[in-house]
Amino acid sequence: GAVVSQHPSWVICKSGTSVKIECRSLDFQATTMFWYRQFPKQSLMLMATSNEGSKATYEQGVEKDKFLINHASLTLSTLTVTSAHPEDSSFYICSATEVRVSSTRISDGYTFGSGTRLTVV
Amino acid sequence: EDQVTQSPEALRLQEGESSSLNCSYTVSGLRGLFWYRQDPGKGPEFLFTLYSAGEEKEKERLKATLTKKESFLHITAPKPEDSATYLCAVHRDSWGKLQFGAGTQVVVTP
Repeated sequence: GAVVSQHPSWVICKSGTSVKIECRSLDFQATTMFWYRQFPKQSLMLMATSNEGSKATYEQGVEKDKFLINHASLTLSTLTVTSAHPEDSSFYICSATEVRVSSTRISDGYTFGSGTRLTVV
Repeated sequence: EDQVTQSPEALRLQEGESSSLNCSYTVSGLRGLFWYRQDPGKGPEFLFTLYSAGEEKEKERLKATLTKKESFLHITAPKPEDSATYLCAVHRDSWGKLQFGAGTQVVVTP
């Protein structure tokens, strides 16, 4: 089945530094990637959607200059948390689909990465 | 506004004690309802997709059903390895974004 590899699985960084999280699709083309964050005992909140080769679309309230998303290839997307602060500490999860989602096309097959626990101290 | 509400928040079961989880949704034009299992510190693992009222799907001890307003995930004779948080999600809009519920944390004790 489809596999998405996400790493690191956990990272601790100092306040003010930047952290990069990678998601790779191992056996399919990740045409569209979604990035989520999840707080303890809460649901997944969508941060942004990116189609390969295009700029990411951010959800309302998500700072695009703080959470930089690069999706330059069909197998790799990265999320960089810039100038991290303790309030950015969270569980970040990516998901991918082969479908290039659009206003007229959706997917019913989403594969999730294993998540990254970010702690900013 | 699309909403997904799951109940109960937490469920503690004895091994073999069957139960059901509920996912109620309000969305204009349902295009798919998803069930995922999430273990602590892990990403969601796909279980089922349901598309229309009356549809049912089964996988081992799990059975998902769908009506026009809600979905149920039935766990039959659960085992400790069924302990996890079960998430429900619906397509949020035409871009295929998923709206997740808060989940039901299930603990199955021997």
